[in-house]
Amino acid sequence: QQQVKQSPQSLIVQKGGISIINCAYENTAFDYFPWYQQFPGKGPALLIAIRPDVSEKKEGRFTISFNKSAKQFSLHIMDSQPGDSATYFCAASDTGNQFYFGTGTSLTVIP
Amino acid sequence: DAGVIQSPRHEVTEMGQEVTLRCKPISGHDYLFWYRQTMMRGLELLIYFNNNVPIDDSGMPEDRFSAKMPNASFSTLKIQPSEPRDSAVYFCASSSPVEGWFNEQFFGPGTRLTVL
Repeated sequence: QQQVKQSPQSLIVQKGGISIINCAYENTAFDYFPWYQQFPGKGPALLIAIRPDVSEKKEGRFTISFNKSAKQFSLHIMDSQPGDSATYFCAASDTGNQFYFGTGTSLTVIP
Repeated sequence: DAGVIQSPRHEVTEMGQEVTLRCKPISGHDYLFWYRQTMMRGLELLIYFNNNVPIDDSGMPEDRFSAKMPNASFSTLKIQPSEPRDSAVYFCASSSPVEGWFNEQFFGPGTRLTVL
C-alpha cells in the first residue's frame, strides 16, 4: 500500500511557468515531509523539507505548501527553468529515519 | 567526502545467476538504506540498517534477496537467484541523526540491474 500518493505522474511546463506537484498521505504520525530531486542517471538529492508546524516553506524558487487538516502537501516551482527538468519525489517520515516516498513526477520544462 | 559509493554502476546478468550490489556509505553516517526504483512503483525501501544492525527488512520482496552490513563502511545487497522482474535501479543511501530535524538521506548514483 502506497503510504504517500503523488500526482501528476508527468508534467510539462513552459519556461517561466509554475510547476505544481501534489502529494497526499493518511498516516497522521508523519511529521517530516522532504522533497527530493533526481536528474537522469543520478541518485535523488534533497531539495527542500518541511515540518507540519508551518504551512509554507520557501527556498528560492521552490515552495512547499502544507495543509495538515487535508493531509496534503505540494511543491511549487516558480519561474520554471529547463534546468529544473527532473523527477521529483515527495516523502514522509514519522521517525525521521525511514522515509515513505511517492511514485515520482517527471517534470519537463520547455524552453 | 566522495559521497555514497555504489558498485557496479551497471550489471547485466542472466536469469538464475547470483548478483551482488555493493555500497560504501558516507563516513560517520550510522544509517544505511537500500532502495529499488522502478517506473511502476517508484522508490521502494528494501531494508535499512542502524549501526550495522538491520532494523526493518519488511520491504525485501522475498527470500531471494538478502542484505548485510559487516562493518560501518560497507554493505551488500545480494539476489540469488536473480529473475527478470528484479531488473531495476538499486540505490543505497546513508544518513546521520540531526537533533530536532530529520535525517537527510544522501543517495548514491545507483546500480542499474538488468536480468535477461
